[in-house]
Amino acid sequence: QSALTQPPSASGSPGQSVAISCTGASSDVGGYNSVSWYQQYPGKAPKLMIYEVSKRPAGVPDRFSGSKSGNTASLTVSGLQAEDEADYYCSSYAGSNNWVFGGGTKLTVL
Amino acid sequence: QVQLVESGGGVVQPGRSLRLSCAASGFTFSNYGMNWVRQAPGKGLEWVAIIWYDGSNKYYADSVKGRFTISRDNSKSMLYLQMNSLRGDDTALYYCATYRTGHYFENWGQGTLVTVSS
Repeated sequence: QSALTQPPSASGSPGQSVAISCTGASSDVGGYNSVSWYQQYPGKAPKLMIYEVSKRPAGVPDRFSGSKSGNTASLTVSGLQAEDEADYYCSSYAGSNNWVFGGGTKLTVL
Repeated sequence: QVQLVESGGGVVQPGRSLRLSCAASGFTFSNYGMNWVRQAPGKGLEWVAIIWYDGSNKYYADSVKGRFTISRDNSKSMLYLQMNSLRGDDTALYYCATYRTGHYFENWGQGTLVTVSS
């Protein structure tokens, strides 16, 4: 169960868009439409932001969107706001009743 | 609203055991698969274990297989994690989380901290 690969950091100015990548393999990200994304503020629990690659739970702003191409998934945050500054984690089903997370990306709003 | 409250964490010596609990409320617990996910200090998230809604199936990460046991009591809306033969790299904040078909973790508790140290 190798962790999915995310960039350690990403940044953007208020109002801009930023994309965070999540790279896996054909055995996880590429093999299932089961990528999810979680937002985590320091000292807080993770919060589901995107599930099944591109679906948003109720209450999540439509500024957050997800996509996937091959073995790489992406979370895009449009119209960046100060409150979007947090850590973001991707996750994927990896088959054989195993789940894997990415190492996390710290998003900074400049 | 959905509430998950973990408890049972603490400081424990290597090789010893600890049992974590997760009290669920605000939803029909017996309808949902449940997970434990952990986060070492300053590190990322790691899936630990899952149990089916009825307890019929349980699966573990390789890192804890044979040492940890997940269980549940649907009559009490409680989830458990029995951790044996604890090691230093088990030190982490342990979260319980609901599981949805579609392979994602919908609701999370606030976590309980386990520190394995002599």
